[in-house]
Amino acid sequence: GDSVTQMEGPVTLSEEAFLTINCTYTATGYPSLFWYVQYPGEGLQLLLKATKADDKGSNKGFEATYRKETTSFHLEKGSVQVSDSAVYFCALYKAAGNKLTFGGGTRVLVKP
Amino acid sequence: KAGVTQTPRYLIKTRGQQVTLSCSPISGHRSVSWYQQTPGQGLQFLFEYFSETQRNKGNFPGRFSGRQFSNSRSEMNVSTLELGDSALYLCASSSQTGMNTEAFFGQGTRLTVV
Repeated sequence: GDSVTQMEGPVTLSEEAFLTINCTYTATGYPSLFWYVQYPGEGLQLLLKATKADDKGSNKGFEATYRKETTSFHLEKGSVQVSDSAVYFCALYKAAGNKLTFGGGTRVLVKP
Repeated sequence: KAGVTQTPRYLIKTRGQQVTLSCSPISGHRSVSWYQQTPGQGLQFLFEYFSETQRNKGNFPGRFSGRQFSNSRSEMNVSTLELGDSALYLCASSSQTGMNTEAFFGQGTRLTVV
């Protein structure tokens, strides 16, 4: 079945450091890919998405490129802030089933 | 525009009891999905409803059930609660075209089974 694997955390960074969270997927067909963020005590918020190969999703300084050849969708941000501390989830969507399949989540802690 | 509202936010139940959780989607959204989030299993899909019909179901026992009303509000029910049912239950709503557009999540209901 479909699956998403992302790097385990926690990832601890200093403010203004570069952030990368690796995400790879296994799926047949052509899924859409998403990054969601979960702040403490909150639900999930969509951070960015890409619906086809080579698409780049971007939002709030975060970027991710849909790489079909490596089945990856790595999340990057050039300069993190303390407010970026959260848990980040990579997910894929396929129309058949109309559901999101999530990775295990990566906790990011940014220190001042 | 109001977001997805889940009630209650917190719940403590005893093993063997049953529980009902509620989700009010964003106005105009007809698709409602439920997910269970636990530290061990992560986020797992429970089921999805669209126009009062269950369209998809995840790999959960029959103790987990749900329904959707004509106003798109949804409820999920867990009967004969087990300790392992302790989790954050998240509801997501999306537009008629499904979750590929965007799924909006509620803040969740934190269920603790003792």
